[in-house]
Amino acid sequence: GENVEQHPSTLSVQEGDSAVIKCTYSDSASNYFPWYKQELGKGPQLIIDIRSNVGEKKDQRIAVTLNKTAKHFSLHITETQPEDSAVYFCAAFLLGNQFYFGTGTSLTVIP
Amino acid sequence: EPEVTQTPSHQVTQMGQEVILRCVPISNHLYFYWYRQILGQKVEFLVSFYNNEISEKSEIFDDQFSVERPDGSNFTLKIRSTKLEDSAMYFCASSGLAGGLEQYFGPGTRLTVT
Repeated sequence: GENVEQHPSTLSVQEGDSAVIKCTYSDSASNYFPWYKQELGKGPQLIIDIRSNVGEKKDQRIAVTLNKTAKHFSLHITETQPEDSAVYFCAAFLLGNQFYFGTGTSLTVIP
Repeated sequence: EPEVTQTPSHQVTQMGQEVILRCVPISNHLYFYWYRQILGQKVEFLVSFYNNEISEKSEIFDDQFSVERPDGSNFTLKIRSTKLEDSAMYFCASSGLAGGLEQYFGPGTRLTVT
């Protein structure tokens, strides 16, 4: 099956700085890579995703990049705000199979 | 904005008892999922359900687990004889798209087995 690794496990940044979270996957056939934000006591919320035929996708302050050759993808948050503080999970999906989640990154934005 | 709902928010049960966790997916979605998250750990896939049958299941989803869509709106997860290690957050998710992409998660049910 697929193995997804995520780094770092914790990340603290000053408000206004950028945050980058990286994930690697093992199965080159995985073709969909979502990112989820999980706030305390809530379910994961889809914030951005990318498919294997695209190298980069941006939505306001959030962007995701995908390097299929190296089998890694990253979440970039610019101009961080305190409300960005949460746990972020990456995932990889193999069509016809299932989602495999990373271990999560706890992001703290310091005002 | 439509959302996935789950009940109860917290369930406490004794080891060996049966529990049923309930979910109401987004109304026009076709694919339904259950995940679990043990405290402080990653989200783990349990099962996916489409067209009234299981389409994928993980090795966690053994004979003690079952899923059902008893009517047009509810999607349930049953654990027949709970074990201590079943204590976790259980999330339901749904997707409207072929292949199960863009999943939307419910708020979860915290299951505590004592």
